[in-house]
Amino acid sequence: QSALTQPASVSGSPGQSITISCTGTSSDVGGYNYVSWYQQHPGKAPKLMIYDVSNRPSGVSNRFSGSKSGNTASLTISGLQAEDEAEYYCSSYTSSSTWVFGGGTKLTVL
Amino acid sequence: QVQLVESGGGVVQPGRSLRLSCTASGFTFSSSAMHWVRQAPGKGLEWMTIISYDGSNKYYADSVKGRFTISRDNSKNTLYLQMNSLRPEDTAVYYCARNPVGWHYFDYWGQGTLVTVSS
Repeated sequence: QSALTQPASVSGSPGQSITISCTGTSSDVGGYNYVSWYQQHPGKAPKLMIYDVSNRPSGVSNRFSGSKSGNTASLTISGLQAEDEAEYYCSSYTSSSTWVFGGGTKLTVL
Repeated sequence: QVQLVESGGGVVQPGRSLRLSCTASGFTFSSSAMHWVRQAPGKGLEWMTIISYDGSNKYYADSVKGRFTISRDNSKNTLYLQMNSLRPEDTAVYYCARNPVGWHYFDYWGQGTLVTVSS
């Protein structure tokens, strides 16, 4: 149950787009379309942003989008805004009927 | 609206036990699988365990298998986490989270309860 691999940090200026990658294996990310993404602000609970690779829950801005290719999933945030500054985590269902998270990526809006 | 409220956290000595609770409201608790996820101070999220809607199926992360037990009481809309043989590395904020019926993600989270394992 090794954690999924995410970059430790990414940054972008307001209005720009950024992409966060999430790399796993064929037993998790690559084996299922069950990748989800969570946003967490300091001291707060995580918030679901994307589920099943590319689906947005009601209420989440369409500036957030997800995709997957092979064992790597990606979260793209377009039109960066100050309030997007947060930690982002990917998660995947696994072949062991368990879940695994990525190590998290800190997004800084410059 | 969906609400999940964790309780039971606190300071506990290494080797001792603690039971966390998560009280649910605003949805049909008995229809949803539920998870526990923890976050050590300054660290990332760690999935720990899931229980099926009726309690018949449970899965655990290797890090807690054999020490932690998940359970639920659907008559009380409450999820539990029994933690035994606690270690300093179990120090974390513990979140309960709902798994929507038929899906594979966490759609609602509680606010978390802090467990500190220290002598």
